[in-house]
Amino acid sequence: GNSVTQMEGPVTLSEEAFLTINCTYTATGYPSLFWYVQYPGEGLQLLLKATKADDKGSNKGFEATYRKETTSFHLEKGSVQVSDSAVYFCALGRSGNQGGKLIFGQGTELSVKP
Amino acid sequence: GAGVSQSPSNKVTEKGKDVELRCDPISGHTALYWYRQSLGQGLEFLIYFQGNSAPDKSGLPSDRFSAERTGGSVSTLTIQRTQQEDSAVYLCASSLERAQETQYFGPGTRLLVL
Repeated sequence: GNSVTQMEGPVTLSEEAFLTINCTYTATGYPSLFWYVQYPGEGLQLLLKATKADDKGSNKGFEATYRKETTSFHLEKGSVQVSDSAVYFCALGRSGNQGGKLIFGQGTELSVKP
Repeated sequence: GAGVSQSPSNKVTEKGKDVELRCDPISGHTALYWYRQSLGQGLEFLIYFQGNSAPDKSGLPSDRFSAERTGGSVSTLTIQRTQQEDSAVYLCASSLERAQETQYFGPGTRLLVL
């Protein structure tokens, strides 16, 4: 079945460091891919998404490119801030013409130190 | 506009009691989802509604769990004879019923079974 494998955390970085959180998936067809973020004490919110191969999603300085050849959707940011400290979830959506469940990775906790 | 709302925000119950969790989706969103977030299992899909029908109930962990949706809007997740392993944060999400649509999450109900 479909699945998502996400880099384990926690990840601790200094402010202005480069961030990569790896995400790979197994799926049939052409699913959509998402990154959700959960800030401390808050609910899940969409960070970015990509709906087809070679699409790049971007938001708040974060980027991820849908790579079908490597079945990956790695999250990157060139210079992290303390305010980026959160748990990041990679998720796989259903392909096709209908909505459906998201399959989430285990989450990666990021802590950015000043 | 208003986001997804859930009630109660916290619920403490005794083992063996029944609980009801409520979700109010974003107005106009025909798709509604329930997920569960727990330490050991990460984010798990429970059930998906398309209007008032549930085409995918595959994530409900046992027959103690049930959900309904009325009027294409509010949904209730019921857990009967609660067990300690039911302790988790129960998340509701809604979306438009279109391919690859973003799911918007509520703040969750934190359930603790003593």
